[in-house]
Amino acid sequence: GAGVSQSPRYKVAKRGQDVALRCDPISGHVSLFWYQQALGQGPEFLTYFQNEAQLDKSGLPSDRFFAERPEGSVSTLKIQRTQQEDSAVYLCASTPQGSATNEKLFFGSGTQLSVL
Amino acid sequence: AQSVSQHNHHVILSEAASLELGCNYSYGGTVNLFWYVQYPGQHLQLLLKYFSGDPLVKGIKGFEAEFIKSKFSFNLRKPSVQWSDTAEYFCAVNRMDTGRRALTFGSGTRLQVQP
Repeated sequence: GAGVSQSPRYKVAKRGQDVALRCDPISGHVSLFWYQQALGQGPEFLTYFQNEAQLDKSGLPSDRFFAERPEGSVSTLKIQRTQQEDSAVYLCASTPQGSATNEKLFFGSGTQLSVL
Repeated sequence: AQSVSQHNHHVILSEAASLELGCNYSYGGTVNLFWYVQYPGQHLQLLLKYFSGDPLVKGIKGFEAEFIKSKFSFNLRKPSVQWSDTAEYFCAVNRMDTGRRALTFGSGTRLQVQP
């Protein structure tokens, strides 16, 4: 596609429910990032993939959060036993390069998760 | 831990006014610096970036930013704003020495330009 695509656009979950958020990066982009953006805050780093390898998961807030990118393209962020504090916009971003730190990130529009 | 501070949370300007948004970071080592913008209803997009060389960098739509290492600052400027500049602006920093590609973002500044 033309840009990074995320689905669903909105997700409402009951506390304790498991959710799965999907990210389709730009075709051919090697690197994929997940960020969490709470209301009124800037994005906070969660995890990073280079192709199918998860090279950095230091930002995942708890073991309830799990991300995968099994074929090096589409990625899924899974949150188990959701809590109210998980309510946020989850952003996915991709870049064509595999190693540069000064590159431009291409962001998706995000998934807004509300946990009731 | 590294932090990025954007002291102006909400700025209201009239068209043609000059703009300066502050950004300070707490880390003393070599950094890459970015400004991202989010227009209403749109995704985050890169406005400009600094990674080396001339500390005054120019971006899209007439924006520029100046890296002042001694002040740990990377302020965003535009001489004359337009109504279409209404958006949220985020400063972001990447530490070069960690080998990590994570960006640390500030909390954002909401700019409202009145016609």
